[in-house]
Amino acid sequence: EADIYQTPRYLVIGTGKKITLECSQTMGHDKMYWYQQDPGMELHLIHYSYGVNSTEKGDLSSESTVSRIRTEHFPLTLESARPSHTSQYLCASSEVGTGANVLTFGAGSRLTVL
Amino acid sequence: QKEVEQNSGPLSVPEGAIASLNCTYSDRVSQSFFWYRQYSGKSPELIMSIYSNGDKEDGRFTAQLNKASQYVSLLIRDSQPSDSATYLCAVMNRDDKIIFGKGTRLHILP
Repeated sequence: EADIYQTPRYLVIGTGKKITLECSQTMGHDKMYWYQQDPGMELHLIHYSYGVNSTEKGDLSSESTVSRIRTEHFPLTLESARPSHTSQYLCASSEVGTGANVLTFGAGSRLTVL
Repeated sequence: QKEVEQNSGPLSVPEGAIASLNCTYSDRVSQSFFWYRQYSGKSPELIMSIYSNGDKEDGRFTAQLNKASQYVSLLIRDSQPSDSATYLCAVMNRDDKIIFGKGTRLHILP
């Protein structure tokens, strides 16, 4: 069973609201990632982190921001949600060294912005 | 050119046959390659990782890597209906980012 947790699993919210998607892992992994995936479409990397106080933007431009204050926690924030932000957001983590870069995914947060 | 390319399918294979899934990548210095399986409405889960040229076998699954041709494949032997899913090829590029292909939808025919 994956030790990476995402909350909320489902969120329906109105335009203009601020939202934070939580992601926590108990595996002590240094690397963490956020991917965005629309139904039936590919995963796009939007943010990643190599460790505490390290954050980088991914390949897909995103209006979201992330922070990494603690190793186990990698929240994603949208300051003002819009319908174009409606999507599935997947958090993942990986270790360095043996088994390096093998991603463990959370269950995902499905966001709908009305 | 996309960094990781896969045929989106659907690929239909009779039960018990071999399913062959292919992937090409553009970054010649990539060193880490992965196959993930994703069931509809679920998160991806790792099937195989491969880091060096050649074949790597795990049960009914075999991953094949050819760095010279920038080509990765996954073979599934004795295909089962439970293998019906989308198979995602992922590559770690020179920037240490893990990039996914669009995925190939596999349908095992009972």
